[in-house]
Amino acid sequence: ETGVTQSPTHLIKTRGQQVTLRCSSQSGHNTVSWYQQALGQGPQFIFQYYREEENGRGNFPPRFSGLQFPNYSSELNVNALELDDSALYLCASSSQPRGSGNEQFFGPGTRLTVL
Amino acid sequence: GDSVTQMEGPVTLSEEAFLTINCTYTATGYPSLFWYVQYPGEGLQLLLKATKADDKGSNKGFEATYRKETTSFHLEKGSVQVSDSAVYFCARTNNNDMRFGAGTRLTVKP
Repeated sequence: ETGVTQSPTHLIKTRGQQVTLRCSSQSGHNTVSWYQQALGQGPQFIFQYYREEENGRGNFPPRFSGLQFPNYSSELNVNALELDDSALYLCASSSQPRGSGNEQFFGPGTRLTVL
Repeated sequence: GDSVTQMEGPVTLSEEAFLTINCTYTATGYPSLFWYVQYPGEGLQLLLKATKADDKGSNKGFEATYRKETTSFHLEKGSVQVSDSAVYFCARTNNNDMRFGAGTRLTVKP
């Protein structure tokens, strides 16, 4: 069984650029959630995708957008990068949406640095 | 405001000491509660969970009891090991809204 994978591992961008982060969910999982974890903080929920539709969103601006594909992999896109977007971006997959209390399996994260 | 508040760290203990990391939450309805652990250089791993009041989650010697009356989910372990050194996150999920605490860094010294 393959766990959750994310790419790239590290990324450096400059302010104003756009970035795409990728996540492959665990086999059999149809739900993907994205989180932003600033240094020394807990993860903050960005949004969730369930069966290719957005299924809940946290307090993030519209320049944070996402996609989920038929194979349930997912992308997180961030436009007009700001310095405060520097963080570890975590992807988590589960076999059901979070509301069921189901376990989320996390990937190792993508470390984004915005200069 | 924060939906999950956990004890500030860092916490430093000697091996075999007793561990408590406090966690309280705010939520409407009946949330599910979790403890996640993040070892150095790794992603978050689920440590234990409880989905209803008075449930006790347990794993690897760690325990936490869902206390609805005090809105708490404190993490405990009777005898910590050096390998328990990590950052511990309390989290709650309620409908489509999952919130994490800020994390508590635990260091266990031999």
